Amino acid sequence: NAGVTQTPKFQVLKTGQSMTLQCAQDMNHKYMSWYRQDPGMGLRLIHYSVGAGITDQGEVPNGYNVSRSTTEDFPLRLLSAAPSQTSVYFCATYRGGYTFGSGTRLTVV
Amino acid sequence: GDSVTQMEGPVTLSEEACLTINCTYTATGYPSLFWYVQYPGEGLQLLLKATKADDKGSNKGFEATYRKETTSFHLEKGSVQVSDSAVYFCALSGEAGKSTFGDGTTLTVKP
Repeated sequence: NAGVTQTPKFQVLKTGQSMTLQCAQDMNHKYMSWYRQDPGMGLRLIHYSVGAGITDQGEVPNGYNVSRSTTEDFPLRLLSAAPSQTSVYFCATYRGGYTFGSGTRLTVV
Repeated sequence: GDSVTQMEGPVTLSEEACLTINCTYTATGYPSLFWYVQYPGEGLQLLLKATKADDKGSNKGFEATYRKETTSFHLEKGSVQVSDSAVYFCALSGEAGKSTFGDGTTLTVKP
């Protein structure tokens, strides 16, 4: 039982490049979220989903897109990377509490 | 909107000392309250939770009581170990499972 799987674990991008952070869960949870974690700022919600085909914006959605075609997968797309998007990104599912993936550490140069 | 305020860190304790990390919240309605723990290089893990007033969550020797009258959910442990060194986050749940997190408190336990 893998829980929440994120790939890649590390990524370096150049400014302006695009990429997709992958997130997959095997717990059949309806709710999924993407957070970013920056030093001294806790976790900030980027986008979330309440089920397949339904997504909504969180606190800091600009520069990111999501889609949820299946219950299992919830990819996060960076459209045109900027240095301000350097962060650690966590995908999580929610059922009575969050289960987090191990994170993707992204550096934009 | 909802907010969570945590005791600022870092906190450094000797092994077997008592721990309290303060957490207060502002929310509409009656949210569930959580403590998560993050070990270096890992994602957050749910440590304990409480879903209604006066509930006590407990796990691995840690405890926290949901105090509606003081809007608090302080984390306590009677005797910390080196292995408890981590970052601790207080959080409350909102609609659709969206949670609001505190900024985290770094705990270092020295032998």
